Amino acid sequence: EAGVTQSPTHLIKTRGQQATLRCSPISGHTSVYWYQQALGLGLQFLLWYDEGEERNRGNFPPRFSGRQFPNYSSELNVNALELEDSALYLCASKNRGAGAEKLFFGSGTQLSVL
Amino acid sequence: AQSVTQPDIHITVSEGASLELRCNYSYGATPYLFWYVQSPGQGLQLLLKYFSGDTLVQGIKGFEAEFKRSQSSFNLRKPSVHWSDAAEYFCAVFKAAGNKLTFGGGTRVLVKP
Repeated sequence: EAGVTQSPTHLIKTRGQQATLRCSPISGHTSVYWYQQALGLGLQFLLWYDEGEERNRGNFPPRFSGRQFPNYSSELNVNALELEDSALYLCASKNRGAGAEKLFFGSGTQLSVL
Repeated sequence: AQSVTQPDIHITVSEGASLELRCNYSYGATPYLFWYVQSPGQGLQLLLKYFSGDTLVQGIKGFEAEFKRSQSSFNLRKPSVHWSDAAEYFCAVFKAAGNKLTFGGGTRVLVKP
């Protein structure tokens, strides 16, 4: 069974550009979470999608947005990129009713903003 | 508000020596606590979890953790580390309201031969 897959693995952008990161959850999982892992800041919760709806949002500006598609895959969009957006972005999935121990993480997309 | 603190940013330990990673949490109710490991270039892997019951929990890869309510701590231990244990370790607390994990800042473990 395939795990959580994220693409691309690496992404290089310049300030002011837009970045789109993609996540495919484990088959059968309806909830997708996004986390930002910036150097020295640990993992910060970004967004939670379930059944196509945004259910919760972390303390990030509106230029961080996303969506979940009918097949439960998800996109994270970051507009007007800033240098401090450089980070590893991790996606995780589980079934909505499942406990947190059923949360599985992808390997992440490393975003570098130059 | 809930928070998780990992006081040690880096720890260096010799192979075969014991390891203890500290985690303190701030949470009003009984917390659901987790430890994850992240190897270079990898996502997060769940090591162990505490929900209730026995305060000493066993995990994978020979790790264990002890929940101490009086100290608001959930420290991770391993009696004898292997070179493959070199990684970053994250403590996390799950809050049902909001349905999200809140992570500590992580502790990077280096293993000396």
